[in-house]
Amino acid sequence: EAAVTQSPRNKVAVTGGKVTLSCNQTNNHNNMYWYRQDTGHGLRLIHYSYGAGSTEKGDIPDGYKASRPSQENFSLILELATPSQTSVYFCASGDAEQFFGPGTRLTVL
Amino acid sequence: QQQVRQSPQSLTVWEGETAILNCSYEDSTFNYFPWYQQFPGEGPALLISIRSVSDKKEDGRFTIFFNKREKKLSLHITDSQPGDSATYFCAASETSGSWQLIFGSGTQLTVMP
Repeated sequence: EAAVTQSPRNKVAVTGGKVTLSCNQTNNHNNMYWYRQDTGHGLRLIHYSYGAGSTEKGDIPDGYKASRPSQENFSLILELATPSQTSVYFCASGDAEQFFGPGTRLTVL
Repeated sequence: QQQVRQSPQSLTVWEGETAILNCSYEDSTFNYFPWYQQFPGEGPALLISIRSVSDKKEDGRFTIFFNKREKKLSLHITDSQPGDSATYFCAASETSGSWQLIFGSGTQLTVMP
């Protein structure tokens, strides 16, 4: 079974600080995704990747960067965190079926 | 601009009843429609999916009905159980390289014992 892990599970950051959310998958999927989940909006795609070295913009990429250094790892980077980025972030891997991690709850004060 | 809409926002049914969750979409290029189930504190997990060449997909107590002409689909959960209480997301995608999913805002289902 696909395994997607995320770290940290919870994070409190200050406005203007840098935040890095990490994701690891062990199922050798080419595609990986970062979503944020907010009440009333479902899940919205921030960035995705087709494989190592590839990053693509999703529907709401502003204020976020992504990095895919290897097949297994995909990071989401907030260079200058803002309170509007307070949310739950999910990483996923796969294609027709996407396997989601447990989420990271980020609070920006 | 919401490309995938779900209704109702929340739904309560009694154990044993059939729960009906609705979904509609706008983009006619969408041809793959998965439903994801999410329990509190967890990530979503694929429950059942359908491609636009089919009008019905059944998996145990879960059935998707799909109407391509009206761009509507519904998830029917028969003999609902308290363990089915969760949030259900309808999503849509084109079956292309990126498999980008557009999610609806979800239906929170509560099954009363």
